[in-house]
Amino acid sequence: KAGVTQTPRYLIKTRGQQVTLSCSPISGHRSVSWYQQTPGQGLQFLFEYFSETQRNKGNFPGRFSGRQFSNSRSEMNVSTLELGDSALYLCASSFASGSPKNSYEQYFGPGTRLTVT
Amino acid sequence: LAKTTQPISMDSYEGQEVNITCSHNNIATNDYITWYQQFPSQGPRFIIQGYKTKVTNEVASLFIPADRKSSTLSLPRVSLSDTAVYYCLVERGGSQGNLIFGKGTKLSVKP
Repeated sequence: KAGVTQTPRYLIKTRGQQVTLSCSPISGHRSVSWYQQTPGQGLQFLFEYFSETQRNKGNFPGRFSGRQFSNSRSEMNVSTLELGDSALYLCASSFASGSPKNSYEQYFGPGTRLTVT
Repeated sequence: LAKTTQPISMDSYEGQEVNITCSHNNIATNDYITWYQQFPSQGPRFIIQGYKTKVTNEVASLFIPADRKSSTLSLPRVSLSDTAVYYCLVERGGSQGNLIFGKGTKLSVKP
């Protein structure tokens, strides 16, 4: 079974530009979550999509947005890039259906390393 | 969600058993305890999850006392490749994909 894939793996952008990152979840997984990891703040939750709907959102500015397609693939967009957006962006997929009686493990991709100069 | 507290770092030697304890005093009835492992420049990897008592899989054991206010991840006979950061998380049942990661425990295994 193929794992979570993220493209591109590395990206260099300039301040003020915008960027789109892509994530393909494991086949059959309908939940896709995005995380940002920096040395200073650690791993922080950005948002989660399930069946093309954003179900949960972390504490990030509106410059960070995402979407999910009918095949569960997801994209994350960051507009007006700032130096502080340099980070490893991780995508995770899960079979999570939202049933309160269960908790499903998340499978993480290798991440996209974004550098903003 | 309950906040977790775990040691910042731990050192061990190859072949030893390593126990990492995590406290989560405010855990709720429908919360699960989950541990993830992360190597540098890689995404976290699920290790084990439990609700109460003891859970064991091919890589680790998870011990959870009756009050569930703490948990201990046990790694038997660690090797150099187990050097990584280990995160203890409390997940709400039916959680909507928003894992809350703390600082984690950086485990260093020496030869």
